Amino acid sequence: QVQLVESGGGVVQSGGSLRLSCAASGFTFSSFGMHWVRQAPGKGLEWVTFIWYDGSNKYYADSVKGRFTISRDNSKNTVYLQMNSLRVEDTAMYYCAKDQGGFWGQGTLVTVSS
Amino acid sequence: QTVVTQEPSLTVSPGGTVTLTCGSSTGPVTSGHYPYWFQQKPGQAPRILVYDISDKYSWTPARFSGSLLGGKAALTLSGAQPEDEADYYCLLSYSGARPWVFGGGTKLTVL
Repeated sequence: QVQLVESGGGVVQSGGSLRLSCAASGFTFSSFGMHWVRQAPGKGLEWVTFIWYDGSNKYYADSVKGRFTISRDNSKNTVYLQMNSLRVEDTAMYYCAKDQGGFWGQGTLVTVSS
Repeated sequence: QTVVTQEPSLTVSPGGTVTLTCGSSTGPVTSGHYPYWFQQKPGQAPRILVYDISDKYSWTPARFSGSLLGGKAALTLSGAQPEDEADYYCLLSYSGARPWVFGGGTKLTVL
């Protein structure tokens, strides 16, 4: 079955960096685009970024453009989210999600302190 | 900026029926938006209930059904149970630089 496992979250100071990973299994990873979605405490869901199946195109929410970078390694069935210049408002649970089908991981928590 | 709208809150009686809706600021919701519905309970990750308007997974209770209704995506709960109290989010897909847009969520109370 489809499984997505995020890792790499933690506590970081404002202005710092983190790299999230999402290990995928149970489907042909190299055939599907992948998203990152986040949810701030007590708030709704926010789409963050998307990468095509082959990594050739990437899209970002305006709130993270220029600071976050999505990438993937199809040989490792893993998608990454490099987060730089982190702000307090980036504090959230971050989920990776498979395009099509609605499969998500359990999330990894990122806390940015001031 | 595309906006996806949902009712902020709804209340349903146990055993009752309620319909949640999901609209798009760009016009009618169609099959091309591949509407998703997620359920989220406190402290848990969102769980997919319905995708592609009305398709369900094995874990989706039969009392949930998806449809297009009056230019919106709709999630109907027939025979509400106390355990259905949760937040419900719809997700629409778009072409271009912002491929996914979430609705603001509906807080469903079973009372």
